[in-house]
Amino acid sequence: EDKVVQSPLSLVVHEGDTVTLNCSYEVTNFRSLLWYKQEKKAPTFLFMLTSSGIEKKSGRLSSILDKKELFSILNITATQTGDSAIYLCAVEPRNQGGKLIFGQGTELSVKP
Amino acid sequence: GAGVSQTPSNKVTEKGKYVELRCDPISGHTALYWYRQSLGQGPEFLIYFQGTGAADDSGLPNDRFFAVRPEGSVSTLKIQRTERGDSAVYLCASSLNGPAGTQETQYFGPGTRLLVL
Repeated sequence: EDKVVQSPLSLVVHEGDTVTLNCSYEVTNFRSLLWYKQEKKAPTFLFMLTSSGIEKKSGRLSSILDKKELFSILNITATQTGDSAIYLCAVEPRNQGGKLIFGQGTELSVKP
Repeated sequence: GAGVSQTPSNKVTEKGKYVELRCDPISGHTALYWYRQSLGQGPEFLIYFQGTGAADDSGLPNDRFFAVRPEGSVSTLKIQRTERGDSAVYLCASSLNGPAGTQETQYFGPGTRLLVL
């Protein structure tokens, strides 16, 4: 059965800290891995990763995929209170129309 | 608006009642997805439309759940004889889904929070 596991489930840090969020997966036929940020209700897209070893970067956020070890990490440097959210990792299996399999999410709280 | 919209934003109903949840995808997006998110969990896939047809409904939990997309744009998720366990946030997403081999990002709506009393 296809599965995505995120860790930690929750994390509390102070502004300025650097955090690393983990995502491991098992999928029969991998196509891509995605990271979303969820504040309140709507998940907003962060990154799509398809190839191992290529870092994607957007401001203070970056992510990388390891297809051999079946995991991805999301790094946030110099955290701000606005980074407080649930971070969701999802895997898209190939040939399944684009449906996503999500992990439980990591709830990040950044204290001033 | 440019994004995915969903109505209502909140719905409170009584056990046994029928509800309809609506999703307006981004204009021009041919693929539409419904997910359900329970408290403390990630979204779980329910059903996927490509155009007007349900290409994959394997995530629908039982036959009380049904969804339509008659004109290939707006979709309605219908739940009959609601149960307390149906309480969750129902999220809709759409993507462009171009030619085979392309990978299109799914953009999510704000969801409908359903509470069954």
